[in-house]
Amino acid sequence: QVQLVESGGGVVQPGRSLRLSCAASGLPFSISSMHWVRQTPGKGLEWLAVISNDGDAKHSADSVKGRFSISRDNAKNTLFLQMNSLRTEDTAVYYCARGSDRRAFDVWGQGTLVTVSS
Amino acid sequence: IQLTQSPSSVSASVGDRVTITCRASQGFGSWLAWYQQKPGKAPKLLIQAASSLQSGVPSRFSGSGSGTEFTLTISSLQPEDFATYYCQQANSLPITFGQGTRLEIK
Repeated sequence: QVQLVESGGGVVQPGRSLRLSCAASGLPFSISSMHWVRQTPGKGLEWLAVISNDGDAKHSADSVKGRFSISRDNAKNTLFLQMNSLRTEDTAVYYCARGSDRRAFDVWGQGTLVTVSS
Repeated sequence: IQLTQSPSSVSASVGDRVTITCRASQGFGSWLAWYQQKPGKAPKLLIQAASSLQSGVPSRFSGSGSGTEFTLTISSLQPEDFATYYCQQANSLPITFGQGTRLEIK
């Protein structure tokens, strides 16, 4: 069964850090590009970052550049998002997703909620 | 690249044909995808590369377009199709999504 499972969300104060994980199973993780996408409550979808299959290439959205960092551990089939200097506007559901060979997101996790609040 | 979907919401009945449009702020090839999202769930890929139906998606869904205008058509609405639909481009970074189209039951 193809599955992505996010974890690590929760309530955090502004300025603090949080690390999200995404565990993959049933898919060829080590040859897949992986992404993080978030969705603010009641609003739309925002792409955050992508990492190549081998981890050598990374790109991120301007809104999180310098604060969020994407990484992966292919030996453990796990994707990470390190989030530093969190702001209230970072409150959202965070999804990991696999990049397809046609530049779409063909497998999604169930999402993990991050709430930034004092 | 900014994506603008129209309409933002639409009411329709079971059996209706519905078309959703996604317009891009600048033209690109065909790296456009469509997703369906239901409340509390992750988006589900319907169409990629503008017109390629994802495996397992019913054939009543179809996509077309290139350049700056793309469309998603549902040929005969079923009860399970009432949801929010998003387009997404991956022609260039940053990847962007449309604002969504909410499809409601009339």
